[in-house]
Amino acid sequence: SQQGEEDPQALSIQEGENATMNCSYKTSINNLQWYRQNSGRGLVHLILIRSNEREKHSGRLRVTLDTSKKSSSLLITASRAADTASYFCATDDRGTSYDKVIFGPGTSLSVIP
Amino acid sequence: NAGVTQTPKFQVLKTGQSMTLQCAQDMNHNSMYWYRQDPGMGLRLIYYSASEGTTDKGEVPNGYNVSRLNKREFSLRLESAAPSQTSVYFCASRDRASKGGQYFGPGTRLLVL
Repeated sequence: SQQGEEDPQALSIQEGENATMNCSYKTSINNLQWYRQNSGRGLVHLILIRSNEREKHSGRLRVTLDTSKKSSSLLITASRAADTASYFCATDDRGTSYDKVIFGPGTSLSVIP
Repeated sequence: NAGVTQTPKFQVLKTGQSMTLQCAQDMNHNSMYWYRQDPGMGLRLIYYSASEGTTDKGEVPNGYNVSRLNKREFSLRLESAAPSQTSVYFCASRDRASKGGQYFGPGTRLLVL
């Protein structure tokens, strides 16, 4: 089974609204990462949060991490049509010296102009 | 810098044929990964190589073999292709020491008839 799982599976919002996606994982991690994938393209790394951090910001992105609940959330503020993409969380695996990186199934975000 | 490159971009195989997918990175990263992504799904880890000279199984290794040829190159081989291996294959790399985000190639679309 996958390390990380996201919800919701799909999200549709109006431009200017905020989008929140959640990720849960199962084992101890070193860090959690969020990626974006535009249709038919490769993944692009957005932001990384380490296990000793609780919150991190990058531009319009805000990521939180709760290691006690093994969960993370990605907030995109003031969304734009260009934010339409699939978003994935990924975690490394403490059992493999954090070398193994596993992805969740992703959230498909549609931002309607 | 080219980043992570993959060849070929697209391939059609008949059931039972073999082929090798090539991946190279020019970022001096130790760790490299092969993932597959089926339509509407997340990425599943096939194999990874934490450092030159080592390879390990991921979530879905059956039907695949890998070779870490040198620090730059990591190839994925399908010995006897099956229709179930129709997918998009992504190669990724990252710096092992910092355990930061992964850098992805553009993907190889494989169709097995």
